[in-house]
Amino acid sequence: GQQVMQIPQYQHVQEGEDFTTYCNSSTTLSNIQWYKQRPGGHPVFLIQLVKSGEVKKQKRLTFQFGEAKKNSSLHITATQTTDVGTYFCAGDHGSSNTGKLIFGQGTTLQVKP
Amino acid sequence: DAGVIQSPRHEVTEMGQEVTLRCKPISGHNSLFWYRQTMMRGLELLIYFNNNVPIDDSGMPEDRFSAKMPNASFSTLKIQPSEPRDSAVYFCASSLRAGAGANVLTFGAGSRLTVL
Repeated sequence: GQQVMQIPQYQHVQEGEDFTTYCNSSTTLSNIQWYKQRPGGHPVFLIQLVKSGEVKKQKRLTFQFGEAKKNSSLHITATQTTDVGTYFCAGDHGSSNTGKLIFGQGTTLQVKP
Repeated sequence: DAGVIQSPRHEVTEMGQEVTLRCKPISGHNSLFWYRQTMMRGLELLIYFNNNVPIDDSGMPEDRFSAKMPNASFSTLKIQPSEPRDSAVYFCASSLRAGAGANVLTFGAGSRLTVL
């Protein structure tokens, strides 16, 4: 079935270090979204990527969508304690937008001050 | 807007009891999703509705689970009878889906269910 794999599952970094999480789909995605969930909270939308090879930035966060539209990455530069949480990618499979978002398992980021 | 509203926020029940979780989506949103989150399985899509119609319920674990959306402003997820393995956080999310456009989900705060 349709799957979205995300690695690593956990990442512990020292404050100021960089962090990257990777997302891979078994099939081509029509679009991919990233969400952040703080401990005890709910997922909150960060960004959406639609075009092949697309790169978007939000302050210290850089999001990329692969050329084949099957993988994506989120890179955080110079992590801060406020970056703590679980980052999920979510993909809409198929050549057209079906509306069915499949979430990766998430990468939980811990930042040591 | 108050966002997606879920109730109850916490529920503790005994095995065999019926559980009903409720969701009020954002006004104007036409798609509604029910997800279940556990440590072992992550965020699983259970079912989603477009314009109050169930589109895909392939994620519903078994017949003990049912979901309804009688109108655009209300949905329920029912578990009957409940079992300990149903313990999880259940999230409702809504979105405005315009034609073939992508869904950007707004999640509710979740309902944490514990079945003893």
